[in-house]
Amino acid sequence: DQQVKQNSPSLSVQEGRISILNCDYTNSMFDYFLWYKKYPAEGPTFLISISSIKDKNEDGRFTVFLNKSAKHLSLHIVPSQPGDSAVYFCAASEYNFNKFYFGSGTKLNVKP
Amino acid sequence: NAGVTQTPKFRVLKTGQSMTLLCAQDMNHEYMYWYRQDPGMGLRLIHYSVGEGTTAKGEVPDGYNVSRLKKQNFLLGLESAAPSQTSVYFCASSQNGEQYFGPGTRLTVT
Repeated sequence: DQQVKQNSPSLSVQEGRISILNCDYTNSMFDYFLWYKKYPAEGPTFLISISSIKDKNEDGRFTVFLNKSAKHLSLHIVPSQPGDSAVYFCAASEYNFNKFYFGSGTKLNVKP
Repeated sequence: NAGVTQTPKFRVLKTGQSMTLLCAQDMNHEYMYWYRQDPGMGLRLIHYSVGEGTTAKGEVPDGYNVSRLKKQNFLLGLESAAPSQTSVYFCASSQNGEQYFGPGTRLTVT
């Protein structure tokens, strides 16, 4: 059974607007959450992370929000740019970083 | 500083053949991982290593073996390839949780 789920396979947003990508998890033992960006024919690249002791982490245009009671995290991209068009994966791990569980990805298309 | 490299980039195998995928990292990371990615699915962990000489099973280890004889290298072996192992394989290394991925190996088993 999937422990990390991204229920939206795709999202289309106008350039300059906000993109919100969502992720749900089932394992309450997860302590660390990450977002990765992936272009075709390349490996995923790290974007931003958050630990379970926080509910928000910002890095430039990217902000991740964590709602532990709902077992939900989201990635906000503001403002969205055409270069942000890619597949975004969320991932989760327990504190020891031994195993990471990935969602199925959301393909973001930012239209000029 | 090459980061994480994977060899080969593409490979076609016949059912029953064997092969080894090589992953190398030059960041002195302790943790290394092998994943597979199938269409419509996220990355699934095959095996991982928390240090030289150690390996452990991930979510989908059946049909694969691994070795970590040197800290910088993590090898993934398929002893008898099956069509179900057709996939894109990614290697990653990690220190403190953030993973750095290689470019992937596209494997087709016919």
